[in-house]
Amino acid sequence: EAQVTQNPRYLITVTGKKLTVTCSQNMNHEYMSWYRQDPGLGLRQIYYSMNVEVTDKGDVPEGYKVSRKEKRNFPLILESPSPNQTSLYFCASSPRGGQHTTLPYGYTFGSGTRLTVV
Amino acid sequence: KQEVTQIPAALSVPEGENLVLNCSFTDSAIYNLQWFRQDPGKGLTSLLLIQSSQREQTSGRLNASLDKSSGRSTLYIAASQPGDSATYLCAVRPPRNTDKLIFGTGTRLQVFP
Repeated sequence: EAQVTQNPRYLITVTGKKLTVTCSQNMNHEYMSWYRQDPGLGLRQIYYSMNVEVTDKGDVPEGYKVSRKEKRNFPLILESPSPNQTSLYFCASSPRGGQHTTLPYGYTFGSGTRLTVV
Repeated sequence: KQEVTQIPAALSVPEGENLVLNCSFTDSAIYNLQWFRQDPGKGLTSLLLIQSSQREQTSGRLNASLDKSSGRSTLYIAASQPGDSATYLCAVRPPRNTDKLIFGTGTRLQVFP
């Protein structure tokens, strides 16, 4: 089954303790990205990657790091989490340029990671 | 700067009604537009994707239209069912060489028996 897998689904951590949220896709997609979802603010892009070893900032990159060493994996790293990073996080992948000839079309999202930083 | 708006923010209807959800965007230069469904506390499920050159897409009881020149898309749900209850999000993809979706804030739909 074509999917994006995130782990963990739920995470409670303390301020300053480094954490990594993993993301893996099995569709051979070139593009991968991370979003956070907050009430009243909707979904906002954190970082994206258009190919292996190529990453770029989205709209809200502060406090986050990413890496793309392999095509299928795109982990999100919080070096020193703070309470304002409490949010619902989604990883997404898509074919290069949003091609509509490759199933599944468009973006595929993971099930989300609910992070609480106390 | 591209902005995406969805109206109404919430909608409650009896089962069996035909529904129209609206999405508007400020910059008509888009690569494509995608409709998603999100259940409470869950991920996003892709419903339909419309390329900028297309006018509509259909999947089962769902039909999405796109009028790029006026910056509008509509999602039509025929014969609504309680299982359709969810938040519906539209998102546009800019045309330049970047990987980004710009989301609306969603329409929360409740279909009651």
